[in-house]
Amino acid sequence: AQSVTQLGSHVSVSEGALVLLRCNYSSSVPPYLFWYVQYPNQGLQLLLKYTSAATLVKGINGFEAEFKKSETSFHLTKPSAHMSDAAEYFCAVTPGGTYKYIFGTGTRLKVLA
Amino acid sequence: DVKVTQSSRYLVKRTGEKVFLECVQDMDHENMFWYRQDPGLGLRLIYFSYDVKMKEKGDIPEGYSVSREKKERFSLILESASTNQTSMYLCASSSLKNRGDIPYNEQFFGPGTRLTVL
Repeated sequence: AQSVTQLGSHVSVSEGALVLLRCNYSSSVPPYLFWYVQYPNQGLQLLLKYTSAATLVKGINGFEAEFKKSETSFHLTKPSAHMSDAAEYFCAVTPGGTYKYIFGTGTRLKVLA
Repeated sequence: DVKVTQSSRYLVKRTGEKVFLECVQDMDHENMFWYRQDPGLGLRLIYFSYDVKMKEKGDIPEGYSVSREKKERFSLILESASTNQTSMYLCASSSLKNRGDIPYNEQFFGPGTRLTVL
């Protein structure tokens, strides 16, 4: 069965500091992986996706994520946090060939001035 | 620009009322989804539709039904609303994309409806 684990339901970083949000997955088939961002009272917006091409994936707003098969991880990073990055972030996995998405429980990022 | 819209951003209903949540997408997507989002639980799939008039139960269908009479519209129905259905409801749509040997779905989300049942 597929699953997604996001370590840390809340993460705080100072403005300008590195952002690291962790995501580990389990999948019995090659996965497709996604990071979504949700700003307060809004829907989910796609940040980036891994679709078995390059293992380092660049997304919007300066975020990137690296697919590491040996560690079954897809951590999200940004070199320098901005106040506008404060939001909730969701990692999701979908086994290829199916409609089903499995979402992590989310990580709320707080950026301190 | 891709667009998924939901009929209401905020809704307040009373216990026992019949509630309709509407979702419309303009991307000609085959698949549409209804999720509910609760703190600490992430997103949970209520129902999924892969074609007009076709539907499948998700992980938590109890207390909900759906309707898809047109490709672009997917409705979620709470037959008799209860307080434990107070939640954020998110609609999404997707189509199959081909990458390598195995196709995948990329989902696009609406803005959500925050439903409060009193």
